[in-house]
Amino acid sequence: GNSVTQMEGPVTLSEEAFLTINCTYTATGYPSLFWYVQYPGEGLQLLLKATKADDKGSNKGFEATYRKETTSFHLEKGSVQVSDSAVYFCALSPIELGAQKLVFGQGTRLTINP
Amino acid sequence: NAGVTQTPKFRVLKTGQSMTLLCAQDMNHEYMYWYRQDPGMGLRLIHYSVGEGTTAKGEVPDGYNVSRLKKQNFLLGLESAAPSQTSVYFCASSYPGLAGSSLHRNEQFFGPGTRLTVL
Repeated sequence: GNSVTQMEGPVTLSEEAFLTINCTYTATGYPSLFWYVQYPGEGLQLLLKATKADDKGSNKGFEATYRKETTSFHLEKGSVQVSDSAVYFCALSPIELGAQKLVFGQGTRLTINP
Repeated sequence: NAGVTQTPKFRVLKTGQSMTLLCAQDMNHEYMYWYRQDPGMGLRLIHYSVGEGTTAKGEVPDGYNVSRLKKQNFLLGLESAAPSQTSVYFCASSYPGLAGSSLHRNEQFFGPGTRLTVL
């Protein structure tokens, strides 16, 4: 079946630190991969995505590369800010006709201290 | 554009009561979804719809019903609420994209959520 595993949280960093949140997946074929972010009290927002192997998604200083050989899609940012504090979800969308369902990881809560 | 809106934002029910959550989107999206979010479990798909008048079961459909009578609205019903249904509920919508193109494909737009407590 399809599944997504994220690194356990919570993660606490100081401002300007380097961030990595690990994400690995299990799926048949070549799913699309996503990172969504949820700020306090809000719904999820798409942060970045990649639709095929070796694609790099990027947005707001965050990056993630679709690694087929390691079935991974790790999220990175070189210098985090307090405003990046949120819950981050890795997700995949399996190749499936007629629907575009998402399978989510459990989420990683990130707190950035000034 | 308001995007995806959900009504109500908060609700407290007693066991056995019923209620309907309303989701509305103004982006003319074909697909709509209902998820529940529980601590440590991410989001799980309850039901979804690929077009007006159609619905399908997701990962955790038991205890819920849905209807999609209009393209812009997707209703989630709880006929007899149970404490296990205490959760935050999110609605989402997406555009299927053009055939053969990955543009916008699979990108879901989420509402702000409804926090439901069942006592």
